[in-house]
Amino acid sequence: GAGVSQSPSNKVTEKGKDVELRCDPISGHTALYWYRQSLGQGLEFLIYFQGNSAPDKSGLPSDRFSAERTGGSVSTLTIQRTQQEDSAVYLCASSFAAGEAYEQYFGPGTRLTVT
Amino acid sequence: QKEVEQNSGPLSVPEGAIASLNCTYSDRGSQSFFWYRQYSGKSPELIMSIYSNGDKEDGRFTAQLNKASQYVSLLIRDSQPSDSATYLCAVKGPGTALIFGKGTTLSVSS
Repeated sequence: GAGVSQSPSNKVTEKGKDVELRCDPISGHTALYWYRQSLGQGLEFLIYFQGNSAPDKSGLPSDRFSAERTGGSVSTLTIQRTQQEDSAVYLCASSFAAGEAYEQYFGPGTRLTVT
Repeated sequence: QKEVEQNSGPLSVPEGAIASLNCTYSDRGSQSFFWYRQYSGKSPELIMSIYSNGDKEDGRFTAQLNKASQYVSLLIRDSQPSDSATYLCAVKGPGTALIFGKGTTLSVSS
């Protein structure tokens, strides 16, 4: 079946602009996660959604970052007033549920470059 | 601060050898452990999960878990050049997202 999809695959934006990144999880998966991967930083958790529960936003680095998930499916990560340090690959993952035994599957990522 | 530690490598092995990748974690409450493979420029791909102490085998891959020592490893038998990638160890506890190590780069020479 179809995997996690993300768009756009690449995004170049000027410092100070807002960007929106989209994630479409695997059909039937109730949990959705956003991570980012920077050079030399490894994979860093940002936020996750489980069904209709309030999202866990504990990984968001600043209030410029926000995310929403509409209808329990597609999610959008928004970065306002982008900074150069926001340049990274933003990865979305989904799992059947959020319990610890459920495996997460990643999408192809969005490479964000802030100039 | 929950941490997952991996040797960054590179780990170099000849084709056909066994590659051994190691990972330690700090949170004793962690329950689930995963190995992901990431090729350069690509996203992580899940290759193994392990939840109980001991070994779990899947084809050429064996994951080993020792919760008392807070240690998890991945063995790759009969290593192939196509196994050359970065291997990420990830740990999950109750109600948390995955915490990743920074990865070990494996190079398999033919």
